[in-house]
Order: sequence, then C-alpha cells, then structure tokens
Amino acid sequence: QQPVQSPQAVILREGEDAVINCSSSKALYSVHWYRQKHGEAPVFLMILLKGGEQKGHEKISASFNEKKQQSSLYLTASQLSYSGTYFCGTTNSGNTPLVFGKGTRLSVIA
Amino acid sequence: DAGVIQSPRHEVTEMGQEVTLRCKPISGHDYLFWYRQTMMRGLELLIYFNNNVPIDDSGMPEDRFSAKMPNASFSTLKIQPSEPRDSAVYFCASSTLTGKKLFFGSGTQLSVL
Repeated sequence: QQPVQSPQAVILREGEDAVINCSSSKALYSVHWYRQKHGEAPVFLMILLKGGEQKGHEKISASFNEKKQQSSLYLTASQLSYSGTYFCGTTNSGNTPLVFGKGTRLSVIA
Repeated sequence: DAGVIQSPRHEVTEMGQEVTLRCKPISGHDYLFWYRQTMMRGLELLIYFNNNVPIDDSGMPEDRFSAKMPNASFSTLKIQPSEPRDSAVYFCASSTLTGKKLFFGSGTQLSVL
C-alpha cells in the first residue's frame, strides 16, 4: 500500500520553513525519509520506528505518529541545498521492504 | 566502499529488443532491491532478494521482466521484449536488513523507442 504524501510540490524562499506529510491506511512499523536531487539517486535522511519518536538531521527533523499512521518532515530555515524531491518510505513490519510515496518536490529560491 | 554500482547509466533501445541492467551491491549487504521510477508512479519496488534468493517479485509488471542474482555481488534485471512504456529510471539498492537504510545506485535511464 503506497503511502500518500502532501503537498505534491512546494516553493520556498531561503530561510522559510516547510512541512511534508506522509500518511498510510495501514499500520506502520517504520517510516524512512529520502531526498533525491535532479538526476541523482535518492539519499537516506532518517528512519523513524513506531513509538512516536522525533529525529533530527541538521535543520531537518521528523516525527512519527503511530496512532495516526503518519509522519511529518520538518525543514526549518531552508537553504538552497534543500531543493529536491523528498520521499517517504514505509514498512508494515520488521521484515517487509520499503514502499515509497510519490514524492514531494521542494524548490528553494533565493 | 564504492557503493552500489549500476550499469549502464543510459540505455536507448528499440521496441522489441532485449535489455539487461546490471547491479553490484555493497559488499556485505544481504538484501538487494530493484526499483523503477516514473513521474506517474514514483518509486515502485519490482523485486527484492535476500542472500541471492528472490523473496518477493509481485512488483514485476509482466512476464517480460525477469531478475536474477547468481551470486552475492551481482544482479541483473532483464526486459525481453522491451516496450516504450518500460522507459523509466531503474534503481538498484542494497541494505544489511530489509527495512533498514537503503543505499541506491546511480540508476539506469532506459529509453525504449
């Protein structure tokens, strides 16, 4: 079951904040976040396991609400280097592969 | 480590031809995944292997697609015969465990004319 991401695209000016959401209709075991720059491979950002934890990566952090079966990625004080497509990937158990959402295209402009 | 290595980076072929994509996973990674990326569908899981054994190929679109992993350091994805709708970027990824961090290769951009 492919997770649903929102918004599909967002444009920010440098320094602005953004939130990208990822939701699933099935119970989640873990949520992964990846960023893909144009013409490149997706690069891992972070994993969140069920338990409602929040993790951080520089000015990029994420939360995981197990009850609501959703995760949010927070980008604060955005930089030009944050531009790219962000994918969430989800698993339903400890031994199932990642299923990715369709991605959110983030453009940061000066 | 060199990371996940895919070849070729670009492949242009004519409809009906056989296409073979290649992947070398990171040494020590027991899991290998093939994903296909298109604008419409995003990143779709085609098939994945554990210790060279195919575990789930339910994402393989048709019998025209086949994948093998003859040893721990090599996998192929073959399309025969190819069709224009197969045009996409095909990524190979590996990990130490399923559900763990994925390391992606650079992808193969396939264009079927």
